[in-house]
Amino acid sequence: GAVVSQHPSRVICKSGTSVKIECRSLDFQATTMFWYRQFPKQSLMLMATSNEGSKATYEQGVEKDKFLINHASLTLSTLTVTSAHPEDSSFYICSARWRLAGGMTKNIQYFGAGTRLSVL
Amino acid sequence: GIQVEQSPPDLILQEGANSTLRCNFSDSVNNLQWFHQNPWGQLINLFYIPSGTKQNGRLSATTVATERYSLLYISSSQTTDSGVYFCAADSGGSNYKLTFGKGTLLTVNP
Repeated sequence: GAVVSQHPSRVICKSGTSVKIECRSLDFQATTMFWYRQFPKQSLMLMATSNEGSKATYEQGVEKDKFLINHASLTLSTLTVTSAHPEDSSFYICSARWRLAGGMTKNIQYFGAGTRLSVL
Repeated sequence: GIQVEQSPPDLILQEGANSTLRCNFSDSVNNLQWFHQNPWGQLINLFYIPSGTKQNGRLSATTVATERYSLLYISSSQTTDSGVYFCAADSGGSNYKLTFGKGTLLTVNP
C-alpha cells in the first residue's frame, strides 16, 4: 500500500515552454501533498505544500507564478513549471500524507519516484 | 523551523561491515523518517520513527526524542546498500512540513 505515482519520470523541453508534472496517490487519499526540488548532490528542498481544494502555500523564495500547483482532488496534485528556463532544470519530487477514515491522518509521508526536468 | 543535521557526510565500507548513521534535530519531533535514495532518485521509506526502536532485516533505527537524535544501523552491508541516506523531521504544526538533512553518502565496496 501507500503508492505515490509521479509522471512523467523524465522530460526534456525547450526554453519558454511549460511542463506539467502529475502526482497521484494510488491507494490512499492524501490530505496534503508536498513538492520538493533537488539539485545534483544536494538535499531535498521543500517548494510548496498543497491541501485539497485550497491554494498552495509556497516556501520563501519560490515563485508561485513560475511554479503553479493545483490540488483538485484527494488523490491528485499537479505542478506546472511555466515558461521554463535552463535554470529550472532539476529533479522534482512529490510526496503525500495519508488521510485516514474519519479525517485523521498518518504522519508518514510517501514519495513519488521523481521527475527529472531538463530545459534546453 | 527545525534544523536537521546528519553525520557523517560520506562513508565508505567494505561489504560485510556494519555502520551507524546519525541524525540530530533541534526541536521536538512529530515525525521522523529515514530514507534511502537509490541511484535513480527514488526515495525509499526505511523507517517512520519519531521515538523508540525498530528493526527491519539488516536495518534498525533508534530515536531518542528527549536527546534529539536518531541513529540508523546497517549490519552486514551489501553493495546494494550504496546510495544516499536521508533523515527528515517535522515538529508538527498545521502542515507538517518535513525538513531534510543533507544526507550521508554510503559507498559499499565489494
